[in-house]
Amino acid sequence: GAVVSQHPSRVICKSGTSVKIECRSLDFQATTMFWYRQFPKQSLMLMATSNEGSKATYEQGVEKDKFLINHASLTLSTLTVTSAHPEDSSFYICSARDWRQLNTEAFFGQGTRLTVV
Amino acid sequence: GDSVTQMEGPVTLSEEAFLTINCTYTATGYPSLFWYVQYPGEGLQLLLKATKADDKGSNKGFEATYRKETTSFHLEKGSVQVSDSAVYFCALMRSGGSYIPTFGRGTSLIVHP
Repeated sequence: GAVVSQHPSRVICKSGTSVKIECRSLDFQATTMFWYRQFPKQSLMLMATSNEGSKATYEQGVEKDKFLINHASLTLSTLTVTSAHPEDSSFYICSARDWRQLNTEAFFGQGTRLTVV
Repeated sequence: GDSVTQMEGPVTLSEEAFLTINCTYTATGYPSLFWYVQYPGEGLQLLLKATKADDKGSNKGFEATYRKETTSFHLEKGSVQVSDSAVYFCALMRSGGSYIPTFGRGTSLIVHP
């Protein structure tokens, strides 16, 4: 299957700083990217959906000024957690798909474990 | 709206036991159905998929059949291994546009030697 590379896999940052997470599609064009946050006991919460070249669409309750999403190219999307706080500590996962292709599945990055201290 | 319901976990089995993880869905039209697997500390990997009614997806000994009449896509494996211990997510997605994948809550599988 297609490969989505997410970086970094783990990051520890101090409270009040910003952290950027990158998500790259390596062998296909990601027209659509999804960013998820995974809470303990495994449920996935969709944070936002972004289409290449457009502003991201955020889910209700997700602060767009805190979680900045950029999807400037067909192979790269970034999530920046601004002014991070301990409650932002979580596992963040990106996902990408190319809706122009017949296959409809989304492919996932490896996830980023963010710890804010 | 679309929704996916999975059986609650954890599912605990002994090695070589038969596995079933139930998944039912609610959706308009004819979505594609997927099972993803998440190993500890990792992202999700596509395990198998089915794109139309009566299709059977299979991979690594796992199987699931798209049953439109019962709106189900149950995951089965005849003989589980310890290495199958993971969290399994059922999902649906519609083709085209920016349709958002809809996931179940995930079912944790624990296989003991």
